[in-house]
Amino acid sequence: AQSVTQLGSHVSVSEGALVLLRCNYSSSVPPYLFWYVQYPNQGLQLLLKYTSAATLVKGINGFEAEFKKSETSFHLTKPSAHMSDAAEYFCAVSEQGGSEKLVFGKGTKLTVNP
Amino acid sequence: DGGITQSPKYLFRKEGQNVTLSCEQNLNHDAMYWYRQDPGQGLRLIYYSQIVNDFQKGDIAEGYSVSREKKESFPLTVTSAQKNPTAFYLCASSRRFQNEKLFFGSGTQLSVL
Repeated sequence: AQSVTQLGSHVSVSEGALVLLRCNYSSSVPPYLFWYVQYPNQGLQLLLKYTSAATLVKGINGFEAEFKKSETSFHLTKPSAHMSDAAEYFCAVSEQGGSEKLVFGKGTKLTVNP
Repeated sequence: DGGITQSPKYLFRKEGQNVTLSCEQNLNHDAMYWYRQDPGQGLRLIYYSQIVNDFQKGDIAEGYSVSREKKESFPLTVTSAQKNPTAFYLCASSRRFQNEKLFFGSGTQLSVL
């Protein structure tokens, strides 16, 4: 069965520093992988999506993620954090099938310090 | 603008009471979903519907019910059988293709009085 693990429920960085949010997945077939962002008291918004077209995926707001099959990872990065990046980030995995098969990680809350 | 509207934003339930959360979308999406979010637990699927007049149980359907009489609407009822209903509830929709992105509403916070 597919699953996803996000390492670190809370991550704190300084403004301008590198953001690295970790996600490891388990899947018996080549997966589809997603990163979603949730701002306080809001729904989730798609940041980026991996569908096997390219291992490095660029998303919105300067975020990108790299699919590494050998490490079963899909870590999210941003070179320089901005105060507006403070939010909760969710990694999600789906095997072949509809979106009802999507499995979410437990989330990582990002704090950006001035 | 197209999107998903959830109402109310905050809802309070008394013991033994059923409450209904509204979800409306104008994105012309076939598929709609209800998720429950608890702090530190991620999102868990309650029910989903891929077409009008049809819906399926998700991972945690007990104590909940839904209907899908119109393409645009997918209301969720939290029944008195749900003993721990306090949570943030998110409605989402998507096109009915493989691994399409989900569009989310802004959520309803349900609390027990």
